[in-house]
Amino acid sequence: GENVEQHPSTLSVQEGDSAVIKCTYSDSASNYFPWYKQELGKRPQLIIDIRSNVGEKKDQRIAVTLNKTAKHFSLHITETQPEDSAVYFCAAKEERGGSQGNLIFGKGTKLSVKP
Amino acid sequence: DSGVTQTPKHLITATGQRVTLRCSPRSGDLSVYWYQQSLDQGLQFLIHYYNGEERAKGNILERFSAQQFPDLHSELNLSSLELGDSALYFCASSGALAGGLNEQFFGPGTRLTVL
Repeated sequence: GENVEQHPSTLSVQEGDSAVIKCTYSDSASNYFPWYKQELGKRPQLIIDIRSNVGEKKDQRIAVTLNKTAKHFSLHITETQPEDSAVYFCAAKEERGGSQGNLIFGKGTKLSVKP
Repeated sequence: DSGVTQTPKHLITATGQRVTLRCSPRSGDLSVYWYQQSLDQGLQFLIHYYNGEERAKGNILERFSAQQFPDLHSELNLSSLELGDSALYFCASSGALAGGLNEQFFGPGTRLTVL
């Protein structure tokens, strides 16, 4: 089945700097890659996603890039703000076997933005 | 608010006991997914139901079971509880068919504490 690796596990940046989180996946058939933000004690919330027919997607200060050949995708946050501090999870949707449609998550990146 | 509801918010029980967690998906969503999130851990996929039928199982223990009812709400049953079962349990729902490009929307979670 699909396996998703996420790095780094923790990331500390100064307010205003950029943050980059990287994920790799194993199943070349995967075609949907969402990113979730989870604040302490709250639900994961979808912040951006990308489908395999595009290489990049932007939404204000957030962007995601996808390299299908290398099987990796990244989250980029520019002009970081203290409210960006949270745990970020990447995921890939399984496409093979009995688990089609399920999301396999990375282990998360705890982002801390220092004022 | 994602439109997904979960009850109860908190549950405290003793080892060996059995509990039932309930999830109501967003209106119109046919798929329900259950995840377990232990302290400082990622989201572990447990099980997926689509329109009343089990579609996939992940890392779900035999002591755990789930079902989805005709009104599409779902219940996760945890029995013979152990200390290690203490975790946040999330359900998520999506509207697309399994195998489609489906966004998953998470409920607020149920925090289970086993003493």
